[in-house]
Amino acid sequence: DAKTTQPPSMDCAEGRAANLPCNHSTISGNEYVYWYRQIHSQGPQYIIHGLKNNETNEMASLIITEDRKSSTLILPHATLRDTAVYYCIVRVANGQNFVFGPGTRLSVLP
Amino acid sequence: GAVVSQHPSWVICKSGTSVKIECRSLDFQATTMFWYRQFPKQSLMLMATSNEGSKATYEQGVEKDKFLINHASLTLSTLTVTSAHPEDSSFYICSARDPLAGAYEQYFGPGTRLTVT
Repeated sequence: DAKTTQPPSMDCAEGRAANLPCNHSTISGNEYVYWYRQIHSQGPQYIIHGLKNNETNEMASLIITEDRKSSTLILPHATLRDTAVYYCIVRVANGQNFVFGPGTRLSVLP
Repeated sequence: GAVVSQHPSWVICKSGTSVKIECRSLDFQATTMFWYRQFPKQSLMLMATSNEGSKATYEQGVEKDKFLINHASLTLSTLTVTSAHPEDSSFYICSARDPLAGAYEQYFGPGTRLTVT
């Protein structure tokens, strides 16, 4: 599975959009981009995934560049409860385990 | 979405004793379950992959005789930490794969915090 690079930490003001970047320059054509988050002392929570097209659900939007070498997770109106570590993972659809990097620690500030 | 539960959510045990952690898929049949370990301020590290009805596959550096994994049914996998020591204190997380779901077919449990005194 391709490696990803994320900034170690970010701050965001409550109510503003949080934009979390992820680089995955070695991604293969059949690998999806997944985003999970982990709130303190809980298991990872699925957020969104995509292959080529931008995706949106009730939690977030995922913007994938045309060359697929990077992506951005957007939380449109961050709340204090969105404070968590966010993991960007690339993996084939029916691959085995997820390989977690260090992720980005997002702090939403009041 | 699919739900994975773990029991217990936390446990404290004495050094030298064994502890069993259960992972259940509540509304789907999981052919494959994964066990992760997470130390404070670190990311999740895969320990082993467990397929129903067969022996688990352990990652390099994980002692299979110390961390016993059983996946006897399609909805239950257990991790037993044998002869636990303080260095085994960690957050243990399981995930389960739903073979009938789409590309995001893996669901994570809430984790079990093990403290060995």
